[in-house]
Amino acid sequence: DSGVTQTPKHLITATGQRVTLRCSPRSGDLSVYWYQQSLDQGLQFLIQYYNGEERAKGNILERFSAQQFPDLHSELNLSSLELGDSALYFCASSVEGTNSPLHFGNGTRLTVT
Amino acid sequence: EDQVTQSPEALRLQEGESSSLNCSYTVSGLRGLFWYRQDPGKGPEFLFTLYSAGEEKEKERLKATLTKKESFLHITAPKPEDSATYLCAVQGDQAGTALIFGKGTTLSVSS
Repeated sequence: DSGVTQTPKHLITATGQRVTLRCSPRSGDLSVYWYQQSLDQGLQFLIQYYNGEERAKGNILERFSAQQFPDLHSELNLSSLELGDSALYFCASSVEGTNSPLHFGNGTRLTVT
Repeated sequence: EDQVTQSPEALRLQEGESSSLNCSYTVSGLRGLFWYRQDPGKGPEFLFTLYSAGEEKEKERLKATLTKKESFLHITAPKPEDSATYLCAVQGDQAGTALIFGKGTTLSVSS
């Protein structure tokens, strides 16, 4: 058990809808990262927050947004969903600092129909 | 742009048949190279971090090595429970402390 909790585990929704994915980091970790994993693209970095502030952006679409709250949990909001957004979404957390490994949750599987 | 390429995409071994997985990378200012194991339906599980060329790390039947352009994950006398997807990732200057991942090698070990 990595200590990173993600909810829900599965989510099925229709095109055009909006969903929110939730992540609780490991106790003591201030950084939260969001990744998308699809069969053809592998793990793609979306965005990082550190102690409530956006720290780095990867390949995140404008339809997607995230935030980190004062209690350090994070939410990833996906809107105007398309079929191609179906994927596994992972949250990871780390102790801030270079060379720190990321510890991943077990993901939310999103299916857009 | 930071890039990680893993080969082969898939590898089938007999129990006890040793082999190596390759991770080639291009990165601006390598801070660390990371190996993860991912089981179906689970998140990646951290295995090793390597920081500089020549470094080696071992854990049970796994040994990771690093050169200036690539890393190898050596699997000695594998068992069926070693079956998983092995992911390589780099941390460099471009993405802060985020990791950039390769697409992985899926290892299947049969008894």
